[in-house]
Amino acid sequence: NAGVTQTPKFHILKTGQSMTLQCAQDMNHGYMSWYRQDPGMGLRLIYYSAAAGTTDKEVPNGYNVSRLNTEDFPLRLVSAAPSQTSVYLCASSYELAVEETQYFGPGTRLLVL
Amino acid sequence: GDSVTQMEGPVTLSEEAFLTINCTYTATGYPSLFWYVQYPGEGLQLLLKATKADDKGSNKGFEATYRKETTSFHLEKGSVQVSDSAVYFCALRSTGNQFYFGTGTSLTVIP
Repeated sequence: NAGVTQTPKFHILKTGQSMTLQCAQDMNHGYMSWYRQDPGMGLRLIYYSAAAGTTDKEVPNGYNVSRLNTEDFPLRLVSAAPSQTSVYLCASSYELAVEETQYFGPGTRLLVL
Repeated sequence: GDSVTQMEGPVTLSEEAFLTINCTYTATGYPSLFWYVQYPGEGLQLLLKATKADDKGSNKGFEATYRKETTSFHLEKGSVQVSDSAVYFCALRSTGNQFYFGTGTSLTVIP
């Protein structure tokens, strides 16, 4: 049981380039989410998906996601900007269970030049 | 809306000192409350949780009690160790199943 995996661990992008951050979980969790973590800002929710085939967003600009199946939840940066330099964390949990925790991946550190 | 406010850091303590990290929340209904820990170079992991009022979560010598009357979930440890140096996040999961995180508190324990 690998839990939540993320690739790559680290990447450098140039402004305007696009990239997809990968996230996968093998726990059959319905709920998956993406956060960005910045110093002094805590975790900020970018997107979440309550189940395969559904997504919803918190921060509309510059990001896109798809949830074609239960396991995978890739995050796409459409046209990278320096403001998107951050550590991106993917998480999953059982849906519709308020007492359940989230399980986090190790993160992707992204630098946009 | 729902939110979490936690004590700002950084916090520096000597080994064997007592630790308190304050956390208060705003939420409708009956959320679950969590403390996560992030060790240097690692991802977040669950430290402890409490799912209803007056519950006490505990793990690795850390404790936190869900206080609905004061809307608080303060993290405590009686005697910290160097290995406890990490960033600690308070979080809630609302009855709408959304997660809300505090800004994190960095703890450094010196020998």
